[in-house]
Amino acid sequence: DAGVTQSPTHLIKTRGQQVTLRCSPISGHKSVSWYQQVLGQGPQFIFQYYEKEERGRGNFPDRFSARQFPNYSSELNVNALLLGDSALYLCASKLGHGTQETQYFGPGTRLLVL
Amino acid sequence: GQNIDQPTEMTATEGAIVQINCTYQTSGFNGLFWYQQHAGEAPTFLSYNVLDGLEEKGRFSSFLSRSKGYSYLLLKELQMKDSASYLCAGPTDSWGKLQFGAGTQVVVTP
Repeated sequence: DAGVTQSPTHLIKTRGQQVTLRCSPISGHKSVSWYQQVLGQGPQFIFQYYEKEERGRGNFPDRFSARQFPNYSSELNVNALLLGDSALYLCASKLGHGTQETQYFGPGTRLLVL
Repeated sequence: GQNIDQPTEMTATEGAIVQINCTYQTSGFNGLFWYQQHAGEAPTFLSYNVLDGLEEKGRFSSFLSRSKGYSYLLLKELQMKDSASYLCAGPTDSWGKLQFGAGTQVVVTP
């Protein structure tokens, strides 16, 4: 079975631009979460979606938004990019919404903002 | 939010044992996850403890004490491929949002 997939794998943008990152969860998984990981730190929670509804939002500015589609895939949008948005963006999926369910991560999108 | 503390780096030789500790505030987490992350790659799931005690999975074991806000990951018979960052993470709400520690970089030397 295919794991979580993300696209693109790498992206270079300049300050002020907008970016859209995409994620396809493991088949049958209905929950998708987004995390930001900067070098030397653990992943930081951005959003969680379950059954197309936002179920959680981390401490990120309104420049960050996301959505989940009927096929459970998801997009993360970041507007007005700042240098500090340079990071690895990870998508994770799990079957349902329970706290004990394991989240499985995709390979990530590495974003560089110049 | 919860503070999760892990050592920054640990070094051990091939074949040895290393124990990575993780401490957190005692309220709020329903269990604890451990993930392994090789440089430039995504975190991969290693273990989940919801009850107190030791869970063993081959060369890797994980322990949890909820009352003490303490967990550890034990890596036995270290191999060079075990060189990676090890992340502990706790679910902080009913939807399972994860809060991660900063990770412990394990360096395995010949």
